[in-house]
Amino acid sequence: GENVEQHPSTLSVQEGDSAVIKCTYSDSASNYFPWYKQELGKRPQLIIDIRSNVGEKKDQRIAVTLNKTAKHFSLHITETQPEDSAVYFCAVQGGSEKLVFGKGTKLTVNP
Amino acid sequence: NAGVMQNPRHLVRRRGQEARLRCSPMKGHSHVYWYRQLPEEGLKFMVYLQKENIIDESGMPKERFSAEFPKEGPSILRIQQVVRGDSAAYFCASSPLRRSYTEQFFGPGTRLTVL
Repeated sequence: GENVEQHPSTLSVQEGDSAVIKCTYSDSASNYFPWYKQELGKRPQLIIDIRSNVGEKKDQRIAVTLNKTAKHFSLHITETQPEDSAVYFCAVQGGSEKLVFGKGTKLTVNP
Repeated sequence: NAGVMQNPRHLVRRRGQEARLRCSPMKGHSHVYWYRQLPEEGLKFMVYLQKENIIDESGMPKERFSAEFPKEGPSILRIQQVVRGDSAAYFCASSPLRRSYTEQFFGPGTRLTVL
């Protein structure tokens, strides 16, 4: 089955710096790649997603890049703010409808 | 426009008891997914249901766990004879269509503690 690896597991940056989180996946048939943000004790919330026919997508300070050949995709957050502190999960969806999640990255933005 | 609803939000059970978790999808959504999240870990798929049908239960443990999504009412995840290892947050998500590339909207979760 699909296997998703996410790195790093923890990331600490200074406010205003950029943060990059990377995920790799194993199933070349996967075609949908969402990123979720989860604050402590809260539900996962979609922050950005990308489909396999697109290489890059940007929404204000957040961007996602996808390399289907290498089977990896990355989340980029620019001009980080303390409220960006949370756990971020990448996920992959293939032919079945289920999402396969990475183990998460705990991002801390220090003021 | 209410989002995905789950209840109870917190559930405490003793070993051997039954746990029933409920999920009401967003209005207009007919597809429900259940995920389990252990402490400090990602979410793991358990089961995918449509009204009155189980589409994919490949992530469900073979014993003690069952799920349903009746024609009327919420989806229910049932855990019989709970053990300490069942302690986790259980999230359901819903989507409007059976199609890839469709966002899944998550509920607030039920946090199950087994004493």
